[in-house]
Amino acid sequence: AQSVTQLDSQVPVFEEAPVELRCNYSSSVSVYLFWYVQYPNQGLQLLLKYLSGSTLVKGINGFEAEFNKSQTSFHLRKPSVHISDTAEYFCAVSEGAQKLVFGQGTRLTINP
Amino acid sequence: EAQVTQNPRYLITVTGKKLTVTCSQNMNHEYMSWYRQDPGLGLRQIYYSMNVEVTDKGDVPEGYKVSRKEKRNFPLILESPSPNQTSLYFCASSRSAGGTYEQYFGPGTRLTVT
Repeated sequence: AQSVTQLDSQVPVFEEAPVELRCNYSSSVSVYLFWYVQYPNQGLQLLLKYLSGSTLVKGINGFEAEFNKSQTSFHLRKPSVHISDTAEYFCAVSEGAQKLVFGQGTRLTINP
Repeated sequence: EAQVTQNPRYLITVTGKKLTVTCSQNMNHEYMSWYRQDPGLGLRQIYYSMNVEVTDKGDVPEGYKVSRKEKRNFPLILESPSPNQTSLYFCASSRSAGGTYEQYFGPGTRLTVT
C-alpha cells in the first residue's frame, strides 16, 4: 500500500516570502501525484497534478511542484506568498482510480 | 456546472441515532468515495464504489454503511453513531476511463456526535 508523508505539520512564513511544502511518497512504481488545498471552512480544491512527462508541474495561484523519482518526493513551492494562501495543503498519491492516499496535511500560515 | 454536492453541511446528533449523509455528482463518474478528515491524520477513505451496486471497504469502514443504487448518488449511513465518528466527511467522484485518477470533492459535512 502507498503512503505519503508531509514533513511539516505547520509552516509559518511572512508575506511575499518564498515557501516550500515537503511531501514524500512510498511507492517505487509509476504514480500519479496531487496537491490539494483546503481554505478555511471550505472543501478540497486541486492545485496541481503530476501524471507523466516534465517533472516540473505548474498549478493554479502561482504554485508549482517538482517530481523527483529518485528521492520519491513531490515538494510544492511558491516564490512569493500572499495572505490569501493561508490554508491547509494536502499531498496525495493515487492508488488506482478508486482511491487517493493523503498525507497528514501542512497548515500554511502567512504573517504580514 | 460540474460538481459534487453533499447534504447536510453541518450535523449535530446524539449517540445511537441513525443518520444519512447524501452525496450526488453530475459528471457521470463511475467511481465515488467517502473520506473522513481528522486533525493530524489527513483524509482517510471509508468506502468506495466502482459503479452501481459495486462497493468496497476503504481503510476505515467500521461503523459505516454505503449503497449505490444510482450512478449519481452515494449516501453514507451511520446506523449507530458514536462520538469517535465526529469528523469532517468528504464525498468524491472520479472517472475510470482516460485515467488521470483525479478526484472531485464535495464541500464537506461536519458531523458532531455527542
